[in-house]
Amino acid sequence: NAGVTQTPKFQVLKTGQSMTLQCAQDMNHEYMSWYRQDPGMGLRLIHYSVGAGITDQGEVPNGYNVSRSTTEDFPLRLLSAAPSQTSVYFCASSYLRGPQETQYFGPGTRLLVL
Amino acid sequence: AQSVTQPDIHITVSEGASLELRCNYSYGATPYLFWYVQSPGQGLQLLLKYFSGDTLVQGIKGFEAEFKRSQSSFNLRKPSVHWSDAAEYFCAVGNQAGTALIFGKGTTLSVSS
Repeated sequence: NAGVTQTPKFQVLKTGQSMTLQCAQDMNHEYMSWYRQDPGMGLRLIHYSVGAGITDQGEVPNGYNVSRSTTEDFPLRLLSAAPSQTSVYFCASSYLRGPQETQYFGPGTRLLVL
Repeated sequence: AQSVTQPDIHITVSEGASLELRCNYSYGATPYLFWYVQSPGQGLQLLLKYFSGDTLVQGIKGFEAEFKRSQSSFNLRKPSVHWSDAAEYFCAVGNQAGTALIFGKGTTLSVSS
């Protein structure tokens, strides 16, 4: 198993540009989520999904869109990037079978918006 | 409001000394508690988790944590720190299955020789 993979590892954008951060998992997990990590702020939940076709907002959803057309993939879209979206983005996934399950995190995407 | 507080932003410990990282939480339902570690430039790795039962939980790399409901705390401990333990540590609280986690702001651990 490759686990949770994220691409790209690093990206530089100009203000107003759009891009998609890719996240994929090969563990057949129902649950997938996106977090952003900023210095001194910990990780904050952006969006999450409990299965294909089902998504919901987290703590900081503004400026981001998501969709879940397959179990494996959960892309995060920035429609018009802003400097405030400069951050490290982590994708995570887990089963929803019970309280013993654990979230697995990807290696992260570092995004710089100029 | 649901929240996690890690009071210590940065801690320095001598190699071989004991370690305790503090975590306090506020959560309306039964808390599911986690400790994660993040090495520089890396993703997060789960150290241990608490869902129910014995309030002292053992994790990987020699870490343990104790859940104290009366104090709303879930402190992480290690009896003897190694230089490789230098990293950032995050406490988190969540619902069943660890989804929709709420993270603390993290504690950076430095290890001196």
